Amino acid sequence: KAGVTQTPRYLIKTRGQQVTLSCSPISGHRSVSWYQQTPGQGLQFLFEYFSETQRNKGNFPGRFSGRQFSNSRSEMNVSTLELGDSALYLCASSLDGKGYTFGSGTRLTVV
Amino acid sequence: EDQVTQSPEALRLQEGESSSLNCSYTVSGLRGLFWYRQDPGKGPEFLFTLYSAGEEKEKERLKATLTKKESFLHITAPKPEDSATYLCAVQGSGAGSYQLTFGKGTKLSVIP
Repeated sequence: KAGVTQTPRYLIKTRGQQVTLSCSPISGHRSVSWYQQTPGQGLQFLFEYFSETQRNKGNFPGRFSGRQFSNSRSEMNVSTLELGDSALYLCASSLDGKGYTFGSGTRLTVV
Repeated sequence: EDQVTQSPEALRLQEGESSSLNCSYTVSGLRGLFWYRQDPGKGPEFLFTLYSAGEEKEKERLKATLTKKESFLHITAPKPEDSATYLCAVQGSGAGSYQLTFGKGTKLSVIP
């Protein structure tokens, strides 16, 4: 069966711009989580959605936002990009909250 | 606040030389402890979930164990293809029960 699909795989943006990343979960999975991975901080939780509702949010500024659609696909948006937002953004989907399957991630570079 | 500490940060083994990776954690009510493997430029790949102290799970050359304060990932007779970063994460039952808290990982290098 198809895994978690994240698009695009790579992005280069300029400081001050905004960006939207997309995640399609495994078919039937209604929970989608987003994580930011950097060499210094490791994997840090951004937010989690279930049936279009945000259930958890991590300690990130309001520039980071997300949403989930009725087909469980999710998007995350980062506005007013900063150099420190350069990272690998990972999406994970779950059927029952007991196991999480990750996508390959979107590598965002802010210049 | 849930916390996870992994040690060592990096481990270099000769092929066939068995060893263990450590994951120490504090969590308000453990719902699950997860082990993932991550190769460069890729997302984490699920290995195991452990739910309660005393539980053990095995897969090929890997065996994960769990106590009330830590988990170990034992690697028996590793091969070069086992080289990767191994990540440990916990899921608590408190306010953040829908998130995983990750450690910084152990980077394993297996030399032929």
